[in-house]
Amino acid sequence: RKEVEQDPGPFNVPEGATVAFNCTYSNSASQSFFWYRQDCRKEPKLLMSVYSSGNEDGRFTAQLNRASQYISLLIRDSKLSDSATYLCVVNRVQFYFGTGTSLTVIP
Amino acid sequence: NAGVTQTPKFQVLKTGQSMTLQCAQDMNHEYMSWYRQDPGMGLRLIHYSVGAGITDQGEVPNGYNVSRSTTEDFPLRLLSAAPSQTSVYFCASSRGRGVYNEQFFGPGTRLTVL
Repeated sequence: RKEVEQDPGPFNVPEGATVAFNCTYSNSASQSFFWYRQDCRKEPKLLMSVYSSGNEDGRFTAQLNRASQYISLLIRDSKLSDSATYLCVVNRVQFYFGTGTSLTVIP
Repeated sequence: NAGVTQTPKFQVLKTGQSMTLQCAQDMNHEYMSWYRQDPGMGLRLIHYSVGAGITDQGEVPNGYNVSRSTTEDFPLRLLSAAPSQTSVYFCASSRGRGVYNEQFFGPGTRLTVL
């Protein structure tokens, strides 16, 4: 079973829409959780860490459910510049990456 | 700060050739790692290092060697290139492996093995 699983999408949404991505992880001993953003043919960059209490950064909200081993990312008021691949990352001794969810925001 | 740098950006090799991918960071990070990214596979860990002189294998280490003689540098060596090693290679560094240590990535090396 994969350490981290994500719906690959693609998600195609109009500007201004709200979109949610989900991710599950297989090992309950996982310690920390992140969402990274990767633009086409570029390196991944940290979007936000995901804390147990949930956290928000502007239009982005991340939630963690340890009981269900589930992480989510909500993007409100989507912008064209949000078009990218979003990687779910779990840390347990090593960093484990999901395969990514592709988002395209359409004008 | 330059952050994490990688050279070369692109490389084409013939089967059986060897080469070294260079990675350097100027953030005094202890933890460095090499990943490969293939379509549909996500990033997979090749080797990592928790400090100078200490390296360990990740998920897909076969065909690759690493060394860490300084905090700054973490080169990845391909011993005898194979077409299956065609991929995008990313080097990353972080302060440590502790909880919520962000990983910073280099720009990647795009390798094609013919």
